[in-house]
Amino acid sequence: EVQLVESGGGLVQPGGSLRLSCAASGFTFNNYWMSWVRQAPGKGLEWVANIKRDGSEKYYVDSVKGRFTISRDNAKNSLYLQMNSLRVDDTAVYYCAKDPAAAPYSLYYFDNWGQGTLVTVSA
Amino acid sequence: EIVLTQSPATLSLSPGERATLSCRASQSVTNYLGWYQQKPGQAPRLLIYDGTTRATGIPARFSGSGSGTDFTLTISSLEPEDSAVYYCQQRSNWPPLTFGGGTKVEIK
Repeated sequence: EVQLVESGGGLVQPGGSLRLSCAASGFTFNNYWMSWVRQAPGKGLEWVANIKRDGSEKYYVDSVKGRFTISRDNAKNSLYLQMNSLRVDDTAVYYCAKDPAAAPYSLYYFDNWGQGTLVTVSA
Repeated sequence: EIVLTQSPATLSLSPGERATLSCRASQSVTNYLGWYQQKPGQAPRLLIYDGTTRATGIPARFSGSGSGTDFTLTISSLEPEDSAVYYCQQRSNWPPLTFGGGTKVEIK
C-alpha cells in the first residue's frame, strides 16, 4: 500500500523558514516524479513544485520561485520542501503527492497524496 | 498560464440524479485534463485523467468527456458518498500545473 506521510509544518513568523518532509513507502520511490501541492484554508488546490525521479529537473509555481526548494533523497525514500522568506499568503496545508506513472513515463497528475501538514505564517 | 474555470460553483441534487460538472480552459489543453474529488478533511482523490481515463478503483458512475477547452465530469447516478468538492487540473502546458476553483456537489 502506498503511503505518504508529511511532517515539519507549524507556526512561523513572516520571513521565517521551515523544512517539510514526506516519507514514502509502498512503492519504488525513485521511479516516480513527486510534487508538493498546497491548499490555503477554505480555498482550492495550488501546485507548488515538482521534481523528476533522479532530482535532475525541478519546477516551481512563480509565487515561490527563489524562496522554496524542492529536493529528494531516493536512498531514504523522502521528499523535502525547504521554505524560506515565508509570507502570510503561504499559509496552507501542504500535501506531498505522487505521479501515477512509473519510469520512463510521467503523467503529471497526482494519484496518491499524504494527509497534509499545516503551515501557518503569522506574526 | 492556463486558467481553468469550473461551473457551477455549487450543485445540489438528490441521490440517483445525474450530475454534470464543467471545466473550461483559457486555451486548448488537448485532452490533458484530470478530475479530483475532495471530501472535507481529506486529501484529494484522482478520479479521471487525460480527459476520459478512470483512475484505479474509481466506480464506473464517474466519467469524463471533452477535449480542447471544454470538459465535463459526469456522475451518472449520485450516491450519498459523492458529496464533495470536485477539481479539474491540466497538464498540457506547464509549469505551472493548474487547478480549477472547484465545484461543490451537495446531496439533498
